[in-house]
Amino acid sequence: KQEVTQIPAALSVPEGENLVLNCSFTDSAIYNLQWFRQDPGKGLTSLLLIQSSQREQTSGRLNASLDKSSGRSTLYIAASQPGDSATYLCAGGTSYGKLTFGQGTILTVHP
Amino acid sequence: DVKVTQSSRYLVKRTGEKVFLECVQDMDHENMFWYRQDPGLGLRLIYFSYDVKMKEKGDIPEGYSVSREKKERFSLILESASTNQTSMYLCAISDRQETQYFGPGTRLLVL
Repeated sequence: KQEVTQIPAALSVPEGENLVLNCSFTDSAIYNLQWFRQDPGKGLTSLLLIQSSQREQTSGRLNASLDKSSGRSTLYIAASQPGDSATYLCAGGTSYGKLTFGQGTILTVHP
Repeated sequence: DVKVTQSSRYLVKRTGEKVFLECVQDMDHENMFWYRQDPGLGLRLIYFSYDVKMKEKGDIPEGYSVSREKKERFSLILESASTNQTSMYLCAISDRQETQYFGPGTRLLVL
């Protein structure tokens, strides 16, 4: 059974810093790896999806990488802003689009 | 923009009541999912559907059932609500590339 772990559980950084969020998964037979953002009391917003055949994806200040052999993915956020404060979740995808989620990393970017 | 609508943002019900949570999409996506999210436990998959009238159990289906009579609508049913079903319920859909799009969530309180 797939298990997804995210480290750290919480992170507080000053505005402008570059930061890395980590995600590890136990079953390398994933179809894809997705990163989401969740604001308090809200649903999830998809940030990036990396297919199993890809190594990374980029969107603006966000870059996500995938290393299936080591069972790891990272989300890199460049030049962080207070508006980036949220919970970031990674999830491993299997057949029919089923996802197994990590517990999330709570990010706080202070001015 | 993909739109996923959930019937209620907040709901209060009594123990033993039958509860219906509805999810409606405005796209033609095959896959629809119901998750619950609890502090310390993260998101867990309850049921999913990959076509009309098709349903599959997720990780925690006990105490729940689902209905998908039309492609755009996926209902989660709590046959007899219990206090341990107090939670945030999130509906999601996925497209052919398997990016998941989430609704805003329904916060259910069972008294």
